[in-house]
Amino acid sequence: SQTIHQWPATLVQPVGSPLSLECTVEGTSNPNLYWYRQAAGRGLQLLFYSVGIGQISSEVPQNLSASRPQDRQFILSSKKLLLSDSGFYLCAWSVVAKAFFGQGTRLTVV
Amino acid sequence: GESVGLHLPTLSVQEGDNSIINCAYSNSASDYFIWYKQESGKGPQFIIDIRSNMDKRQGQRVTVLLNKTVKHLSLQIAATQPGDSAVYFCAENPENTGFQKLVFGTGTRLLVSP
Repeated sequence: SQTIHQWPATLVQPVGSPLSLECTVEGTSNPNLYWYRQAAGRGLQLLFYSVGIGQISSEVPQNLSASRPQDRQFILSSKKLLLSDSGFYLCAWSVVAKAFFGQGTRLTVV
Repeated sequence: GESVGLHLPTLSVQEGDNSIINCAYSNSASDYFIWYKQESGKGPQFIIDIRSNMDKRQGQRVTVLLNKTVKHLSLQIAATQPGDSAVYFCAENPENTGFQKLVFGTGTRLLVSP
């Protein structure tokens, strides 16, 4: 069966520090991969999606970037975090149409 | 489109009642719809899906209804239980994007009181 791993679960980082969140998927090949952000009590905002290795589409201009160095690995990064980057970050994968989510990383920028 | 800047509407029900959560979608070309349940501090979980060639689909205690004429989707939960308390999101997967990305609705918070 397919599983998705996302880490860390929580993270507290100072303003201006770098960020690297990692997501890996097992049990499937060539999935579509997604990064979403969710502010407290609000909906899901699509940040990036990828249909293959090295292929990244960005949905909104921001302080973040994404990379897909391997088929089942998706990384969310920032060189310098802003306070406004705080939120709940979710990785997801899909094949065909249905998407499945990881457990999320709660990022607090202080 | 995505409504990510809005506070979530809330639906409060008594345990045992039936719940109906509504969702309007914007893309008439959307071919596939999904309902997700998100418990506090966790990622969304798949509940049920429906394709645009169907009007209704039933699962265990849940039913999804699709009205393409008015671009409206609803999730009905029978005999709501306290464990159903969560935020519920609808998502559309527009065919014209090659099924490459989901577009989420605002979400509705369901509160079930005993």
